[in-house]
Amino acid sequence: QQPVQSPQAVILREGEDAVINCSSSKALYSVHWYRQKHGEAPVFLMILLKGGEQKGHEKISASFNEKKQQSSLYLTASQLSYSGTYFCGISNFGNEKLTFGTGTRLTIIP
Amino acid sequence: EPEVTQTPSHQVTQMGQEVILRCVPISNHLYFYWYRQILGQKVEFLVSFYNNEISEKSEIFDDQFSVERPDGSNFTLKIRSTKLEDSAMYFCASSLQGAADYGYTFGSGTRLTVV
Repeated sequence: QQPVQSPQAVILREGEDAVINCSSSKALYSVHWYRQKHGEAPVFLMILLKGGEQKGHEKISASFNEKKQQSSLYLTASQLSYSGTYFCGISNFGNEKLTFGTGTRLTIIP
Repeated sequence: EPEVTQTPSHQVTQMGQEVILRCVPISNHLYFYWYRQILGQKVEFLVSFYNNEISEKSEIFDDQFSVERPDGSNFTLKIRSTKLEDSAMYFCASSLQGAADYGYTFGSGTRLTVV
């Protein structure tokens, strides 16, 4: 079942913060976050694992609430390069495939 | 940084024709996937492939679709008889281990246009 993201779209000024939420109706094993720029492939940002381990490589943070079956992505002091559509992808019970959310379009303006 | 390579970048085909989309995953990755994205919409799972066989497929992946890893490096998606609604961006992805524990690396995609 597809995770639901909110908000659907957000516009920020450079330097402002944003939070993007992802929720699932099923128990989550892991949550991934990806950013997709227009006309390009999604790019992996980070993965959050059941039990709290987090793996990522960008200056963006996220949380994973296993009880609520939710994850949130935090973008602080946003830069113009953060613009794009953010997708969460969920894996259930160690399933090897991801089901992607509906996407959140983030626009950063100078 | 290692890349997933997809060819062609754009393919136009007539309805009813067969198309083959090609992908070269990252060499040490073990899991391979095809996803598609209709313009402006969500990224939809088609199929996952591990240990030389399909491990999971979606409802979209019907008898018209097939995947192969013919030579240990290429990973192909074949659509036997294309329909207008198959028009989409097709992304190949690979992962070192399953998506439960590792992120995907996506290829740059093949834009398929069925006319």
